[in-house]
Amino acid sequence: EPEVTQTPSHQVTQMGQEVILRCVPISNHLYFYWYRQILGQKVEFLVSFYNNEISEKSEIFDDQFSVERPDGSNFTLKIRSTKLEDSAMYFCAIIGTSGIRTQYFGPGTRLTVL
Amino acid sequence: DQQVKQNSPSLSVQEGRISILNCDYTNSMFDYFLWYKKYPAEGPTFLISISSIKDKNEDGRFTVFLNKSAKHLSLHIVPSQPGDSAVYFCAASGPAGGSEKLVFGKGTKLTVNP
Repeated sequence: EPEVTQTPSHQVTQMGQEVILRCVPISNHLYFYWYRQILGQKVEFLVSFYNNEISEKSEIFDDQFSVERPDGSNFTLKIRSTKLEDSAMYFCAIIGTSGIRTQYFGPGTRLTVL
Repeated sequence: DQQVKQNSPSLSVQEGRISILNCDYTNSMFDYFLWYKKYPAEGPTFLISISSIKDKNEDGRFTVFLNKSAKHLSLHIVPSQPGDSAVYFCAASGPAGGSEKLVFGKGTKLTVNP
């Protein structure tokens, strides 16, 4: 099973501040995803990233969100001006190079916006 | 719009017995289905998947059945163990060749009693 790590594990920020969440796949991967889970709700798709560009994004992923792969390994999610409703667990997921369509998730970052 | 539905929020079974978790979907474009296990404040852990070209896939104690005509799938755990207690999410993606974003159900909390 491919390994994915995420940093930080918990981020507390003030409303209106920018946050950057990081995902570090251990080996080579092609597809990258961000999902989030608001407490008590289901896991929701945010954005998919393939070949260094966004392949699909959800309605949640508005202009306040951005993703990039700055150094070819890390994969980041930036929220420019956080809102209270952005408080959630954020999960990175990857699909490996084997051609199998299974997504493997990281442990998540808990974002708390005060 | 719930494209993936898990109608049972919770299920309780005795250790050693069979656990059956159910999932229904509405989008006929879905062609790949997955089950994940999740603990609080952790990322979803992949359990088992099934492609729409199959109607059954087995991996150890876990078996997933797919009924395409009914748009229904189920996860069987035999025998159930206390360590299986967690929230189980059904997820779907498709069609193949797209972004492969996952659409999740709301989850079923499984409790296996010793």
